[in-house]
Amino acid sequence: AQTVTQSQPEMSVQEAETVTLSCTYDTSENNYYLFWYKQPPSRQMILVIRQEAYKQQNATENRFSVNFQKAAKSFSLKISDSQLGDTAMYFCAFMSYSGNTGKLIFGQGTTLQVKP
Amino acid sequence: DAMVIQNPRYQVTQFGKPVTLSCSQTLNHNVMYWYQQKSSQAPKLLFHYYDKDFNNEADTPDNFQSRRPNTSFCFLDIRSPGLGDAAMYLCATSARTSGRYNEQFFGPGTRLTVL
Repeated sequence: AQTVTQSQPEMSVQEAETVTLSCTYDTSENNYYLFWYKQPPSRQMILVIRQEAYKQQNATENRFSVNFQKAAKSFSLKISDSQLGDTAMYFCAFMSYSGNTGKLIFGQGTTLQVKP
Repeated sequence: DAMVIQNPRYQVTQFGKPVTLSCSQTLNHNVMYWYQQKSSQAPKLLFHYYDKDFNNEADTPDNFQSRRPNTSFCFLDIRSPGLGDAAMYLCATSARTSGRYNEQFFGPGTRLTVL
């Protein structure tokens, strides 16, 4: 069974600085997706970034980028130039290509606070 | 804008009184999911529909049921809410194409309070 682990329950960063959130996962599959979702205090879950496992190039979306290390089963999220609006809970999630449910396996979440 | 809509945003019910939560989508996605999320925890998948095919998670209590009358709408019915069912309920959608599921898009959630 797949598992996702986020070892940092809480983090904080000063506005305009860079922060990295960690995520490791365990799977025996070769083809899968990895995602980072953001859930601000208003509680709507928003997709931040996705990575397909067969792609070696790390995904980037504006200030958000990932460091995907497939062999190490690591998928960290880097937020550059942190903004107050980045304050949220961040979930790392795994989804199998071959599964018949499209089920997301979530990590426990990391609460990020951006300080002015 | 295409989106996932949940109504109501806040729902208060009494212990044991049936309640229905609603989800609609304008994304024309063929898959709809229901999650339960308790405070500071990750969402827990209850069940999902792929078109009209219902897929229940093994550990979802029988107290939770769902209906999907058409592509756009999906309902979560809680037959006899208990205090432990107080939570945020999230609806999500995704597109399954060529046998592969894609990323999920979430609605804003319905916060259920059980008195």
